[in-house]
Amino acid sequence: DAGITQSPRHKVTETGTPVTLRCHQTENHRYMYWYRQDPGHGLRLIHYSYGVKDTDKGEVSDGYSVSRSKTEDFLLTLESATSSQTSVYFCAISEVGTNTEAFFGQGTRLTVV
Amino acid sequence: AQKVTQAQTEISVVEKEDVTLDCVYETRDTTYYLFWYKQPPSGELVFLIRRNSFDEQNEISGRYSWNFQKSTSSFNFTITASQVVDSAVYFCALSELISSGSARQLTFGSGTQLTVLP
Repeated sequence: DAGITQSPRHKVTETGTPVTLRCHQTENHRYMYWYRQDPGHGLRLIHYSYGVKDTDKGEVSDGYSVSRSKTEDFLLTLESATSSQTSVYFCAISEVGTNTEAFFGQGTRLTVV
Repeated sequence: AQKVTQAQTEISVVEKEDVTLDCVYETRDTTYYLFWYKQPPSGELVFLIRRNSFDEQNEISGRYSWNFQKSTSSFNFTITASQVVDSAVYFCALSELISSGSARQLTFGSGTQLTVLP
């Protein structure tokens, strides 16, 4: 199994509070991604990174920011959590190259009340 | 924009039946990659198969087989002699080149919930 760890695995937070989710990899893969999973939508890309300090927006980036100061860590921050951000968040990694599959972390279930 | 459609939201079969999960995709890329992932009740995403656009050979892996037809933009997944442990959500995904670099994102279908009854 690919070495990807997400923390925390579960979190309940109040509307308006900041939240940071962490993704840590031990594979030294270049690309890292944050997806959210919602019923009826499959997984949708929030942000991705193609190297240290190199990040860009995905399909549903509003309300989220990311940072990657080290190859192994990719942080997702909700600056001011809203109920619409209640979701399951998955981190993924992939190697350089266009035909490699993405490996996913275990997911973080975030509930904003 | 690329799109993946899994028209079957839920499928229920009895153990030992064969079942086919449909996937239809849209893309403008001439080179692309298709994937199937399994999400069991425990929630993790398990990679099953990758297929590139210039290889239309069907693939079989044990009870699993995949039928890729470029002419109909379909990448269907068949489970033969289904088992209760096959119960899961199955996602089809299309690999898309992100315009700003060499990174690729996966565009997912909405998933098919497969329930195999004993």
